[in-house]
Amino acid sequence: GIQVEQSPPDLILQEGANSTLRCNFSDSVNNLQWFHQNPWGQLINLFYIPSGTKQNGRLSATTVATERYSLLYISSSQTTDSGVYFCAVEYYGQNFVFGPGTRLSVLP
Amino acid sequence: GAVVSQHPSWVICKSGTSVKIECRSLDFQATTMFWYRQFPKQSLMLMATSNEGSKATYEQGVEKDKFLINHASLTLSTLTVTSAHPEDSSFYICSARGLLWSGELFFGEGSRLTVL
Repeated sequence: GIQVEQSPPDLILQEGANSTLRCNFSDSVNNLQWFHQNPWGQLINLFYIPSGTKQNGRLSATTVATERYSLLYISSSQTTDSGVYFCAVEYYGQNFVFGPGTRLSVLP
Repeated sequence: GAVVSQHPSWVICKSGTSVKIECRSLDFQATTMFWYRQFPKQSLMLMATSNEGSKATYEQGVEKDKFLINHASLTLSTLTVTSAHPEDSSFYICSARGLLWSGELFFGEGSRLTVL
């Protein structure tokens, strides 16, 4: 089956810093989503981005499907950005597979 | 985006009892619902996929008789953990997909199960 990798596994930032999270996948996909899991466990949809670039406030994401990776950019990080960031991919006819996640801690 | 509600948020039960978790799509019809399990500091693992009106499809290694899934309507799916044991303690999360949302998945708040 498809393999999904995320890097870095852990990231500690000072408030106000910028960061880039990466998601690599081993095969062609038709769907890709980024999620933020907050400390209470809830998964929040960030981007549905099978290809191209999207922006939402301080967050933006880019997926280059032909090269099998996606990037999530966080600018001017805030303490509320802390949590785990997952990318999940869906490959043709199969269900979403989640990456292992990047655990982000933003310090005040 | 679409709203998926999960209930209860947390539940504590005695070993040997059964627990039911509900997953509802509040503002759209969910043709497909998914149930995931998450252990502490790990990623989400798909347990099963349910389509309205048909039997659920379970992932390899998931016991069908232990985790009963019912998708009786386009807005409700339930997961019943039967004869629960301490090793079933986990965070269970449902997600739903509707025709109007193309491929995007929306998740419930999750249910934390503790079996004593």
